Amino acid sequence: GQQLNQSPQSMFIQEGEDVSMNCTSSSIFNTWLWYKQDPGEGPVLLIALYKAGELTSNGRLTAQFGITRKDSFLNISASIPSDVGIYFCAGQLQAGNMLTFGGGTRLMVKP
Amino acid sequence: GAVVSQHPSRVICKSGTSVKIECRSLDFQATTMFWYRQFPKKSLMLMATSNEGSKATYEQGVEKDKFLINHASLTLSTLTVTSAHPEDSSFYICSAGGSYNYGYTFGSGTRLTVV
Repeated sequence: GQQLNQSPQSMFIQEGEDVSMNCTSSSIFNTWLWYKQDPGEGPVLLIALYKAGELTSNGRLTAQFGITRKDSFLNISASIPSDVGIYFCAGQLQAGNMLTFGGGTRLMVKP
Repeated sequence: GAVVSQHPSRVICKSGTSVKIECRSLDFQATTMFWYRQFPKKSLMLMATSNEGSKATYEQGVEKDKFLINHASLTLSTLTVTSAHPEDSSFYICSAGGSYNYGYTFGSGTRLTVV
């Protein structure tokens, strides 16, 4: 099925560095979501974005809903070892609908 | 907050047997539950959408007779892998929500190994 284009696929960074990842779609979504998945666990919601242009923060995480409604980015500032995991973006057309996932960004942080 | 419990977390079964995976919403009523399959280092692949009291809607390429889904109550959905084969070995994850939900709460996943 459809999948969002998420990049980069993986990142290996030094502790303390900032991280940026993004997702693009060929079609519009009305909600963008960012999840983190730890090994052997289900994804956990980090940030939800509901309006085009919206910029939302959750601690060291900041995400934006693109003005065209076809893209979103997630920034992590001052990375720490526990940020390690796979980050997924997801788009949703309307409430109650299925989510369309990106391919994931695997983040590795070197202490 | 919303909690989704998935059980078992790991299961090993012999080829030809059936395995049932449960997904429960603990503190909310879930009119919709989604079942995903995830291969190593890959994204989540939607298998089916389960609505309480009605038949599940399966994604293209997913065998409904092999992956039986039952959503008999607003807090429980089950996925039964019938006549399991080694190629069914995978990580299965459920998520739950309602018609008002933006984003969903995910279960912790089930690692199925068929030997």
